[in-house]
Amino acid sequence: EIVLTQSPGTLSLSPGERATLSCRASQSLGSTFLAWYQQRPGQAPRLLIYGASSRVTGISDRFSGSGSGTDFTLTISRLEPEDFAVYYCQQYGSSPKTFGQGTKVEIK
Amino acid sequence: QVQLVESGGDVVQPGKSLTLSCAASGFSFSRHGMHWVRQAPGKGLEWVALIWNDGTIKYYADSVKGRFFISRDNSKDTLSLLMTNLRVDDTAIYFCVRDDSPYYYFDYWGQGTLVTVSS
Repeated sequence: EIVLTQSPGTLSLSPGERATLSCRASQSLGSTFLAWYQQRPGQAPRLLIYGASSRVTGISDRFSGSGSGTDFTLTISRLEPEDFAVYYCQQYGSSPKTFGQGTKVEIK
Repeated sequence: QVQLVESGGDVVQPGKSLTLSCAASGFSFSRHGMHWVRQAPGKGLEWVALIWNDGTIKYYADSVKGRFFISRDNSKDTLSLLMTNLRVDDTAIYFCVRDDSPYYYFDYWGQGTLVTVSS
């Protein structure tokens, strides 16, 4: 099973600041089978990024993904109030499909 | 628009069984693999089970293998999860999720249904 480790656990930032979230895999994902999700309180997760860097249609271009192999990053260029949420990475290249433990982006 | 609506969540005693259902609409159900993903209270996401678009192949997380059974009815656009021998640590919100076949990332999620296992 591929283990995904997200860091930091919590990121305290102010609106307008840049957020950088990390996701590290226990083994190479190959072909960048990595996705990012946002989960706001009381809501279901929402897909933001797939293929490590492909943004879902309708997702703000403030969100960008990068990385390959074992190290991946989600960047939010300028935090808006609605961006304060929990973010999960997920690998879908091998079974079982595993998630990271999440990074909470909170208002400082 | 794509909609996934779960139902069937309840409070049940350990060792009992429960069936969850998911009604899909707004897309060609038979073209997509479907999954159940769960989230224990205050915790992260855990993939539970997958069923291929035609229902021929099913995969399960080790934590539920032999106790949970996923199925689908493509004539009724419904997904089901039969959960048997429930344990306290099965307590979670269960999400019905569509994948962007043939890729296993999850592009649409239902709002979830809460299963509480407690004596």
